[in-house]
Amino acid sequence: EIVLTQSPATLSLSPGERATLSCRASQSVSSYLAWYQQKPGQAPRLLIYDASKRATGIPARFSGSGSGTDFTLTISSLEPEDLAVYYCQHRSNWPPTFGLGTKLEIK
Amino acid sequence: EVQLLESGGALVQPGGSLRLSCAASGFTFNTYAMSWVRQAPGKGLEWVSGISGSGGTTYSADSVKGRFTISRDNSKNTLYLQMNSLRAEDTAVYYCARVVPGSLYYLNYWGQGTLVTVSS
Repeated sequence: EIVLTQSPATLSLSPGERATLSCRASQSVSSYLAWYQQKPGQAPRLLIYDASKRATGIPARFSGSGSGTDFTLTISSLEPEDLAVYYCQHRSNWPPTFGLGTKLEIK
Repeated sequence: EVQLLESGGALVQPGGSLRLSCAASGFTFNTYAMSWVRQAPGKGLEWVSGISGSGGTTYSADSVKGRFTISRDNSKNTLYLQMNSLRAEDTAVYYCARVVPGSLYYLNYWGQGTLVTVSS
């Protein structure tokens, strides 16, 4: 199965700063990668799919890029409500694995 | 409004069985593939099982194959997960989620989850 490695494990930034989260696949997943946000005590929410497409209702400050094995989720200007764990997930084949997540802390 | 409401989570002994349900509303249920995803306490996400809109195609993670069965009743707009031979490592919050059409595995609507605890 494809292993997704996310870095860093934890990221601590201030409101207004730019956040850059990384996801690396153990083999190419083409552009078949999604990002999810999970706030404390809530279910995950789809942010980005197919590497760079924003899901319905997702603010423009969230953007995704990459292809093959290296992907990035960027939050252009952090807001306090962006406190969450962010997961990447591929859909290249079965099983559609998730990364272990990056915990975003807001200072 | 799309709504997914899971139920059936409980404390169960190792080796026991449990059936989870997910009541769906706000969309044409039989036209969407559905899935179960779980999250062990303090851990990440794991796809458990998926099922096509008609119910004719199912797939399961190796960790649950032969023990868990996903099914759906489109007349009742309900998704199920029958869990047998439960193990301590099956302890998790189980989420029901709707698959993005055409994507096979992206999930754009999730329920609030139901907790399954396997312990003696």
